[in-house]
Amino acid sequence: TQLLEQSPQFLSIQEGENLTVYCNSSSVFSSLQWYRQEPGEGPVLLVTVVTGGEVKKLKRLTFQFGDARKDSSLHITAAQPGDTGLYLCAGAGNTGTASKLTFGTGTRLQVTL
Amino acid sequence: KAGVTQTPRYLIKTRGQQVTLSCSPISGHRSVSWYQQTPGQGLQFLFEYFSETQRNKGNFPGRFSGRQFSNSRSEMNVSTLELGDSALYLCASRKEGYGYTFGSGTRLTVV
Repeated sequence: TQLLEQSPQFLSIQEGENLTVYCNSSSVFSSLQWYRQEPGEGPVLLVTVVTGGEVKKLKRLTFQFGDARKDSSLHITAAQPGDTGLYLCAGAGNTGTASKLTFGTGTRLQVTL
Repeated sequence: KAGVTQTPRYLIKTRGQQVTLSCSPISGHRSVSWYQQTPGQGLQFLFEYFSETQRNKGNFPGRFSGRQFSNSRSEMNVSTLELGDSALYLCASRKEGYGYTFGSGTRLTVV
């Protein structure tokens, strides 16, 4: 069974601070996606990383895929209250199960003024 | 561009009953997946349909079933409801090779 552990589980920071969320597994994934989910809504896709060692930037968010494609990190620079939400990583399986996502345990981020 | 539409948004059912949830994917998206989200287990994959065929299945009992119609709309059914089936059920659609777009979910409460 593929498992994705995220850390930390909860994070409460002030506006302007930086933070990093980690997503770790013992399994190799063909790609890894990051989502943000707000209360009462479905997850919204932020980014997909495919190549080991890949780094993608989305404004103040930086995503990295580990060289071995088993882990990933999300770094937020100068967090804002609008970044508040549940961050989820999700790994896609290999051939035949590429459409099946294994979700991480989630990191709940709260950014206060 | 319309998103993924799930109906109903909220549902209350009694133990032992059955329930059918509906999902309309984004136009042009042929893949539809279903996930169950609970506070204890997080998001868990139920099944995926592509062109009316179940392509992948998660580790859920046979009480959970689904289907997809020729217009890509999908339904999932849960029979003999148990209290533990209370959850947010999420549907996601995608075009092959792209990421998923999730609906807002159906909140099912079993009493």
